[in-house]
Amino acid sequence: AQSVTQLDSQVPVFEEAPVELRCNYSSSVSVYLFWYVQYPNQGLQLLLKYLSGSTLVKGINGFEAEFNKSQTSFHLRKPSVHISDTAEYFCAVSAWNTGNQFYFGTGTSLTVIP
Amino acid sequence: DGGITQSPKYLFRKEGQNVTLSCEQNLNHDAMYWYRQDPGQGLRLIYYSQIVNDFQKGDIAEGYSVSREKKESFPLTVTSAQKNPTAFYLCASSMSRDRMTGELFFGEGSRLTVL
Repeated sequence: AQSVTQLDSQVPVFEEAPVELRCNYSSSVSVYLFWYVQYPNQGLQLLLKYLSGSTLVKGINGFEAEFNKSQTSFHLRKPSVHISDTAEYFCAVSAWNTGNQFYFGTGTSLTVIP
Repeated sequence: DGGITQSPKYLFRKEGQNVTLSCEQNLNHDAMYWYRQDPGQGLRLIYYSQIVNDFQKGDIAEGYSVSREKKESFPLTVTSAQKNPTAFYLCASSMSRDRMTGELFFGEGSRLTVL
């Protein structure tokens, strides 16, 4: 089975500052990687995904992530955050050898401070 | 607009009662999933279905039941056997489980509170 570790459960950051949310996964096979955002009492919305190709992936709302196979990481970054970015962020991984089942991290709560 | 519709959004239940959460999708997706979300625990898979009239248990299936009589619908019943049913429940779908064709699409969730 896969496992996903989100190293920070809470990340406070000032408005317009850069942010990095960390995600590491355990797998020895090819994986597919995702970042989702969740606002209070809502479902999850896809921010970006890595299936293949370029290791730098750009998503919605100015977010990007870099797939690093040697470090088994997929960290999410944004150069300048806004108040509206305050939300819960989930990293997820899927792999062909597990029937493409999705495994989620425990989430990182991002709070943007005005 | 294509998407996933969950209902009800909020539900209150007395102990010992069964409740059914509805999930409908018009994305023509083959696979559907039910997740449970508790604070600090991420998403845990309850049941999933790859095709009509077939479904498999996930990691925390005890106390839950599902059916998949139509491609569009995947209702979840929380039975009285579920010891701690108060949680946020999320339904999701994807194009196929047989091959990776993309991401999960989520509904808006249903919050169940047991009184």
